Amino acid sequence: QLQLQESGPGLVKSSETLSLTCSVSGGSISSSRYYWGWLRLPPGRALEWIGNIFYRGTAYYNPSLKSRVTISVDTSKDQFSLRLTSVTAADTAIYYCARRDYYDITFDPWGPGTLVTVSS
Amino acid sequence: QSALTQPPSASGSPGQSVTISCTGTSSDIGSYNYVSWYRLHPGKAPQLMIFDVNKRPSGVPDRFSGSKSGNTASLTVSGLQAEDEGDYYCSSSAGSNDVLLGGGTKLTVL
Repeated sequence: QLQLQESGPGLVKSSETLSLTCSVSGGSISSSRYYWGWLRLPPGRALEWIGNIFYRGTAYYNPSLKSRVTISVDTSKDQFSLRLTSVTAADTAIYYCARRDYYDITFDPWGPGTLVTVSS
Repeated sequence: QSALTQPPSASGSPGQSVTISCTGTSSDIGSYNYVSWYRLHPGKAPQLMIFDVNKRPSGVPDRFSGSKSGNTASLTVSGLQAEDEGDYYCSSSAGSNDVLLGGGTKLTVL
C-alpha cells in the first residue's frame, strides 16, 4: 500500500524559504503512470494546488505561485521536495503531498499533511 | 478566488440525501470527464471520494455518487451519516497541466 509522508520545519520566518520533503513508501516514485504533487490548505481558506512533478523531472506549477516555487525529485530516495521562496503570512498552511494520476488529475493517496507557520 | 464554484455549506439530517454542486465553464468541467471530489477532515489525510465524474475508489461507500451536466458537476451523499461530515472539494482538468479546484463545501449532518 502506497504511503506518503511530509517532513520539514513547522516554522519559517517571513521572507525566508520554505522547504518540505515528501517520502514515498510502499511503491516507487519512478512510474510513468503518475505525477507527484503538492497542495496546501491555508487556515480559513480553500485548498490550493501548488504544482506537480514527473519522475523524470518535468514540473508544472500553479501560475499564481510559479515565480516562487520549485519542485524537485530524487528517485534514488523515492522523495520529492518543495521549495517556496520569499514566504509571507499568507503562505501559512497545511501542506500536503499526493500522488497524481498522469491523465485524469486525480490525487490519491495523500500524505497526512504538515502545518507550516510563517512568523514575522 | 477559486476557479470552480461550490456552495460554502450544505447540510442534512441523518438518513437524508444532500447534493453539492461544482460549477465551472465549457473549458473545464464542460469539456472533460475528469472531475474528482475529495473530503478533508482536520488531522487526517484527505480522501478521494469520486474520480472521473462518477467512479468510486475501493473503500468509498456506494452512498457517494457523482454526476455531471453541462458545466456543473455534483456530488450526492445518500443516507447521510454523522461520519460524512467534512469539507468537500471538487477538482477538474482544463486540458492543460493546471489543476482547478473548488472553494470547498462544509457538509454538516444535523
